[in-house]
Amino acid sequence: AQTVTQSQPEMSVQEAETVTLSCTYDTSESDYYLFWYKQPPSRQMILVIRQEAYKQQNATENRFSVNFQKAAKSFSLKISDSQLGDAAMYFCAYRSAEGGSEKLVFGKGTKLTVNP
Amino acid sequence: KAGVTQTPRYLIKTRGQQVTLSCSPISGHRSVSWYQQTPGQGLQFLFEYFSETQRNKGNFPGRFSGRQFSNSRSEMNVSTLELGDSALYLCASSLVPGGGNTGELFFGEGSRLTVL
Repeated sequence: AQTVTQSQPEMSVQEAETVTLSCTYDTSESDYYLFWYKQPPSRQMILVIRQEAYKQQNATENRFSVNFQKAAKSFSLKISDSQLGDAAMYFCAYRSAEGGSEKLVFGKGTKLTVNP
Repeated sequence: KAGVTQTPRYLIKTRGQQVTLSCSPISGHRSVSWYQQTPGQGLQFLFEYFSETQRNKGNFPGRFSGRQFSNSRSEMNVSTLELGDSALYLCASSLVPGGGNTGELFFGEGSRLTVL
């Protein structure tokens, strides 16, 4: 079974600075998807960024980028120019690319605090 | 376009009772999945429905059940409630199971269940 581990329960960053959230996963599959979801306090979870395992190029979405290391099974999220609105729980998630196995496997999350 | 709507948002039950939670997906979305979120276990997959058929089920006891209607709305039911069932229950919708090639799930704000 696949597992996702986020080793940093909490992180903090100063506004306008850069922070990196760590995620490692375990799988025997070669084709899969990886995601970072953001859950602001009392608001719904939203997708931040996604990465297909077969793509070597790291995904980027505005201030958010990932460092995907397939061999090391590592998938970290970098947030540049941090803003107060970035404060949230961040969840790393894995999804198999095999049909019939579309559930997301989540890590336990990292609580990010942004200090003004 | 309206987002994913979950009702009720908050509810309090006592041990032994049963509860039904409802989820209305984004218009046009035919896949609905349910997750349980607790501080200790994080986010855990409950089940997924597509076109009224359960495609996947997580590792939860038979007290947890669900269904999907022809209009794609979904309900989940927990019978004989236990203290450990206290959690935030999240519903997510997508056009196809697991969000297809994009993998993006659209989450509701959740139903927070407290069992006393």
